[in-house]
Amino acid sequence: ETGVTQSPTHLIKTRGQQVTLRCSSQSGHNTVSWYQQALGQGPQFIFQYYREEENGRGNFPPRFSGLQFPNYSSELNVNALELDDSALYLCASSSPGGQFQETQYFGPGTRLLVL
Amino acid sequence: GESVGLHLPTLSVQEGDNSIINCAYSNSASDYFIWYKQESGKGPQFIIDIRSNMDKRQGQRVTVLLNKTVKHLSLQIAATQPGDSAVYFCAENGGTGKLIFGQGTTLQVKP
Repeated sequence: ETGVTQSPTHLIKTRGQQVTLRCSSQSGHNTVSWYQQALGQGPQFIFQYYREEENGRGNFPPRFSGLQFPNYSSELNVNALELDDSALYLCASSSPGGQFQETQYFGPGTRLLVL
Repeated sequence: GESVGLHLPTLSVQEGDNSIINCAYSNSASDYFIWYKQESGKGPQFIIDIRSNMDKRQGQRVTVLLNKTVKHLSLQIAATQPGDSAVYFCAENGGTGKLIFGQGTTLQVKP
């Protein structure tokens, strides 16, 4: 176990709704990254948060947004849900953030189904 | 475009044999690579990593080899066990905290 926790484990939403996913980073880690993993695919980078600021972003539309809190936990928010947003959403924590790439440790993920 | 690819989608090996999982990457500027194992219903689990100033790194029953000349990465698992059955991903750093993952190779261990 990595110590990275995510909630909820599973979620069902309908098109157009909004969803918030949560992540608690591993103790001592100040950087959180979010990934989307479609069935049968590798994870795709959404964005990373370091010191409560977005540190990098992948090719995802603005309706994907995030937050990081002073305790380094993080939220991923997705607005106007689409069917293609159905996926496993993974959170990974690492330390330190900023310039250097450090090993990212993943949580168990949140399985989102959009109907 | 940037990509990390795996040569074989599925690898089937006999328990006790050695396994070799291959990966090709496209960005010659990448300086950090990781192998992850993902079991069904779980998040990716870190196995081993290597930086570009190294050619080889060993862990417990696993070895990662990096050939920068041909942009190739491999994961060797010694004495493969049933618990090694999973999907294996290689990933490279894509800058600003981004990891670029390949599609994955499914390892099946036959008893």
